[in-house]
Amino acid sequence: ETGVTQSPTHLIKTRGQQVTLRCSSQSGHNTVSWYQQALGQGPQFIFQYYREEENGRGNFPPRFSGLQFPNYSSELNVNALELDDSALYLCASSPPGQGTDTQYFGPGTRLTVL
Amino acid sequence: TQLLEQSPQFLSIQEGENLTVYCNSSSVFSSLQWYRQEPGEGPVLLVTVVTGGEVKKLKRLTFQFGDARKDSSLHITAAQPGDTGLYLCAGVTSGTYKYIFGTGTRLKVLA
Repeated sequence: ETGVTQSPTHLIKTRGQQVTLRCSSQSGHNTVSWYQQALGQGPQFIFQYYREEENGRGNFPPRFSGLQFPNYSSELNVNALELDDSALYLCASSPPGQGTDTQYFGPGTRLTVL
Repeated sequence: TQLLEQSPQFLSIQEGENLTVYCNSSSVFSSLQWYRQEPGEGPVLLVTVVTGGEVKKLKRLTFQFGDARKDSSLHITAAQPGDTGLYLCAGVTSGTYKYIFGTGTRLKVLA
């Protein structure tokens, strides 16, 4: 069984640019959550997608947006990048029928904004 | 704003010692998870506790959920260098899907 995968592994962008991060959920998992983890801190919830619909959102501005596709893979898009957006972006998928008590994280994408 | 505070923030101990990490909040959680994260990797789920007062054991790790479901602890017996990592607690409140993560405890076990 393939786990959660994310791409790219690392990314460097400049202020004002736009970025798209990708996540492939674990096989059969229909819920995907995205988190931002700044250096030395715990992950912060960005939003969650369930069956292609946004299912909840944390305290992030609208320039953070996402998509979930019919195969349950997902994208995180960030527009107008700011220096503070530099962080590890984590994707987690959850299997159906187990609520959100079980999450499996991918290895993350490290984004650096210069 | 919901907050989960972990203590201590940093811990450096010798192999064989015991330690306890605490996770505290003023909010009630329907469930609480503990994760371990190593550099360059995503967090790995260790345990989920659901019932107030619940105690779960995973080899040398003992997890306890507070009676009021506002706090939790992780106790490691006879720590080993392989236990080194960032330990995170995360809670979710009933009717929501937002995980609130703690600030993390960075543990280093010296051989």
